[in-house]
Amino acid sequence: NAGVTQTPKFQVLKTGQSMTLQCAQDMNHEYMSWYRQDPGMGLRLIHYSVGAGITDQGEVPNGYNVSRSTTEDFPLRLLSAAPSQTSVYFCATLPGEGVYEQYFGPGTRLTVT
Amino acid sequence: GDSVTQMEGPVTLSEEAFLTINCTYTATGYPSLFWYVQYPGEGLQLLLKATKADDKGSNKGFEATYRKETTSFHLEKGSVQVSDSAVYFCALRGGGFKTIFGAGTRLFVKA
Repeated sequence: NAGVTQTPKFQVLKTGQSMTLQCAQDMNHEYMSWYRQDPGMGLRLIHYSVGAGITDQGEVPNGYNVSRSTTEDFPLRLLSAAPSQTSVYFCATLPGEGVYEQYFGPGTRLTVT
Repeated sequence: GDSVTQMEGPVTLSEEAFLTINCTYTATGYPSLFWYVQYPGEGLQLLLKATKADDKGSNKGFEATYRKETTSFHLEKGSVQVSDSAVYFCALRGGGFKTIFGAGTRLFVKA
């Protein structure tokens, strides 16, 4: 049982390049989400999904796309990278509403030059 | 909307000192409250939680009590260790799936 996995662990992009951050889970959790973590700002929600085929925007969705074709995978796409997207990105899952805790992946550290 | 405010860090303590990290929240209804911990280079992991007023969550010597009257969920530990050095996040979920996180408080513990 691997839990939540993220790849890559580190990535450096040039401005304007595109890439996909991968997130996979083997816990059969319906809810998956992407956060970015910036110094002094805590975690901000980018996009989330409540099940396969269903996605929605979070607090800071601009410049990012997501899709959810299976329960297990929830990739995050950067369409045209900008220096403002330099951050640490975390994928998280949740087994259900209300009282359950979230399960986080180890993170992807992205630098855009 | 819902929000979480926690004390700014960093907090620097000597080993065996008493720790308090303040957390207050704004929410409608009766949210569930959480403390997560993030060790260097890792993702967040649940430290403790409380799901209703007056509940006390506890784990690894850490405690927090859900105080509805003061809308607070302060994290405490009686005697910190160097291994407790990490970033601590207070969070709430009011129902549904969305979790609101505080900004995080970095703790340094000196030997």
